[in-house]
Amino acid sequence: QKEVEQNSGPLSVPEGAIASLNCTYSDRGSQSFFWYRQYSGKSPELIMSIYSNGDKEDGRFTAQLNKASQYVSLLIRDSQPSDSATYLCALFRGGGAGSYQLTFGKGTKLSVIP
Amino acid sequence: GAGVSQSPRYKVTKRGQDVALRCDPISGHVSLYWYRQALGQGPEFLTYFNYEAQQDKSGLPNDRFSAERPEGSISTLTIQRTEQRDSAMYRCASSPGGRTGNTIYFGEGSWLTVV
Repeated sequence: QKEVEQNSGPLSVPEGAIASLNCTYSDRGSQSFFWYRQYSGKSPELIMSIYSNGDKEDGRFTAQLNKASQYVSLLIRDSQPSDSATYLCALFRGGGAGSYQLTFGKGTKLSVIP
Repeated sequence: GAGVSQSPRYKVTKRGQDVALRCDPISGHVSLYWYRQALGQGPEFLTYFNYEAQQDKSGLPNDRFSAERPEGSISTLTIQRTEQRDSAMYRCASSPGGRTGNTIYFGEGSWLTVV
């Protein structure tokens, strides 16, 4: 089992709808969770971080974390064509000897249809 | 600088040649990372520096890959005797450091093609 699993998509949603992106992870010792957005040909950019169980909202974005189920999701409300990108789930485990390794999933490609 | 700066942005090299990729992190960031990203994949961890100390090199694929950050700022990733399978986007990232969520910021990457 890969450490971070994401459905590669593509996930297509109509403009104005809610896009739901999901991620599961295998390491129960994971401490912090991140969602990065990556436009084609560009570098990943951080859009959300979440550390505790529950929901965290930031504008049109809501991250949800359930550590018992080892599940983290990202909801995008009122999806816009400009949201079309690949969304990368990442987690920070915090290893021994000062390791701060951030592990990424393969990403889910989102397409918002006008 | 304003962001993480990488050079060269594009590099084409012949198999067997050595390549050096440079990273200039965000000013004041003590943590520096190298990742490799293949098409359609997420970034894959290579190595991590805290100041000048290389604290994790567990992601380096083999001994042809090495990295340094001698003064705790600019870093160089060197690939010796390049092979075609080394072709990928190499991304540098930096963060302020510490355990405050470890938010990292990526550079635009260096696209390496080995022919």
